[in-house]
Amino acid sequence: DIQMTQSPSTLSANVGDKVTLTCRASQSIRSWLAWYQQKPGKAPHLLMYKASILESGVPSRFSGSGSGTEFTLTISSLQPDDFATYYCQQYNSYPWTFGQGTKVEIK
Amino acid sequence: EVRLVESGGGLVQPGGSLRLSCAASGFTLSSYEMNWVRQAPGKGLEWISNISSSNMNTHYAESVKGRFTISRDNAKNSVYLQMNSLRAEDTAIYYCATGGSCINGFCDNDLYFRHWGQGTLVTVSS
Repeated sequence: DIQMTQSPSTLSANVGDKVTLTCRASQSIRSWLAWYQQKPGKAPHLLMYKASILESGVPSRFSGSGSGTEFTLTISSLQPDDFATYYCQQYNSYPWTFGQGTKVEIK
Repeated sequence: EVRLVESGGGLVQPGGSLRLSCAASGFTLSSYEMNWVRQAPGKGLEWISNISSSNMNTHYAESVKGRFTISRDNAKNSVYLQMNSLRAEDTAIYYCATGGSCINGFCDNDLYFRHWGQGTLVTVSS
């Protein structure tokens, strides 16, 4: 199975900060990576797919990059609505696997 | 508007069974691969199963293989998850989610989870 490792586990930041979340795969997944945002008590919400393609309706302050085994999700200017947990997920090979999540909290 | 509504969750004893349903609307279910993803209380997301649009192919996580069975009824716009031999560690919110699509024999690589239901809680406890 492909292991997905996210860092950091928790990130404390202020509104307006630029933040970068990292996701590493245990083997190459090419660009078959998605990012999701989840708020407490809610279902996850797709932000990004194929590593760097922004889902329709997602604000442009979100961007993604990477290929192979190293990926990043960047929020250029953190907004109050962005405080949530973020998960990466590979869909290169079965079983599909998620990272353990990065919680972005208010500093 | 795409809508997925899960039902069938509840409290069940260890060793028991439950059947979850996912009712789909707002899109052509028969064109889409469908997935079940779960989340244990306070934990991360775990993909557990999917089924191809044609109903021909299914995949399972090792943690549920041999105990859970995914199926679909495109005429009823529904996807199901039959869960047998339930264990305490199966306690979780279960979400259904869309996957890739196959239209006119062409299947895309959009295998991520674009649309999600609100989830249904399964509690396995005596």
